Amino acid sequence: DGGITQSPKYLFRKEGQNVTLSCEQNLNHDAMYWYRQDPGQGLRLIYYSQIVNDFQKGDIAEGYSVSREKKESFPLTVTSAQKNPTAFYLCAIGQGIGEAFFGQGTRLTVV
Amino acid sequence: LAKTTQPISMDSYEGQEVNITCSHNNIATNDYITWYQQFPSQGPRFIIQGYKTKVTNEVASLFIPADRKSSTLSLPRVSLSDTAVYYCLVGEDNQGGKLIFGQGTELSVKP
Repeated sequence: DGGITQSPKYLFRKEGQNVTLSCEQNLNHDAMYWYRQDPGQGLRLIYYSQIVNDFQKGDIAEGYSVSREKKESFPLTVTSAQKNPTAFYLCAIGQGIGEAFFGQGTRLTVV
Repeated sequence: LAKTTQPISMDSYEGQEVNITCSHNNIATNDYITWYQQFPSQGPRFIIQGYKTKVTNEVASLFIPADRKSSTLSLPRVSLSDTAVYYCLVGEDNQGGKLIFGQGTELSVKP
């Protein structure tokens, strides 16, 4: 949405499989974030990156991995180690002082 | 990072003014206060940000007392479309550091 694109919008995964969620931005921002949201809950931070080739764990990083090889891209892999991966995943870019601009989200369902 | 506390839910009627208060007793000197709005199945959207006193834009007002230990988001004359979850964040301009969302306040506007 407006420079930040998440794909796919809906994703189904079989138990035990890894799956990668895409997040691309063309706004030339350094900071990017991944959040997880469960029904009726707030957002929880998974990983964030302040610069290319560097990223930090958020509050719930276990079972997830990320990479930041390019400024424009910050993909999130949900690994088989994540025991309860069904959730709404949101990617965001940082726009300065505590301000984030979010994508439209990917809804992941384990079947 | 300063922890924030908000009411879990609020009810209002169309045309009323709604005030949502956020407590942040441990706010640091360099922290700004930012409010977001989230509709179901969408990413949060920036509403307003402030450091002290009062800030107003076309959508809302933000009131911050002198001690900055709380802040109040004011939505004038709400409509049904203002039904959403509202989040208060507190953080400093540290070039893309953690952005931590709390549980938010679920506002329900009734006809």
